Amino acid sequence: QLQLQESGPGLVKPSETLSLTCTVSGYSIASGYYWGWIRQPPGKGLEWIGSVYHSESPYFNPSLKSRVTISMDTSKNQFSLRLTSVTAADTAVYYCARAEYSSSLDAFYMDVWGKGTTVTVFS
Amino acid sequence: SYVLTQPPSVSLAPGETARITCGGNNIGLKTVHWYQQKPGQAPVLVIYYDSDRPSGIPERFSGSNSGNPATLTISRVEAGDEADYYCQVWDKNADHLVFGGGTRLTVL
Repeated sequence: QLQLQESGPGLVKPSETLSLTCTVSGYSIASGYYWGWIRQPPGKGLEWIGSVYHSESPYFNPSLKSRVTISMDTSKNQFSLRLTSVTAADTAVYYCARAEYSSSLDAFYMDVWGKGTTVTVFS
Repeated sequence: SYVLTQPPSVSLAPGETARITCGGNNIGLKTVHWYQQKPGQAPVLVIYYDSDRPSGIPERFSGSNSGNPATLTISRVEAGDEADYYCQVWDKNADHLVFGGGTRLTVL
């Protein structure tokens, strides 16, 4: 059974870099699919951060693109998020998720999600 | 950038039919997906490719996208359906995934 689990510091200081890891079990991330991150600020809606395929062909939210890196470590079956120069606006629950993408059908959606991890930007 | 518009809230009694709309420019030309998020939990995919249901999702959940707006329909609503529901599309012009603002379903 496919499971995703986020991990990383729950507190990050302003101007520093947020780093999170998603560990995948039950499926090899090298076998396919896109893998990415979505966040949800307290009391607000979902915001897509970005998704990658074999560390290639990445897609990022234009509003975050300049600060985001998503990388994959297939040997550990993990993928990671780095978000630089964080501010209080980056405080959120961060979810990792597997995504299906079909360019011919103009479709990109997340079919399996992790439980999420809370990150607070706090000085 | 592409914008999806959802009503903030929908309220109805158990057994009634909930229709949650998702509006966007020429949304009928896009593929719409829907997620359910219960309090304190991660989102769950309930409809993909406009109207397909993942395994384990009750048949009471259905979707349509024949024009503006796209619609998620929940028949015979139960207390356990109380949640926030989000629609989502892929904006291929910007290579950008877009969520609607979400609709809170309350079962009275």
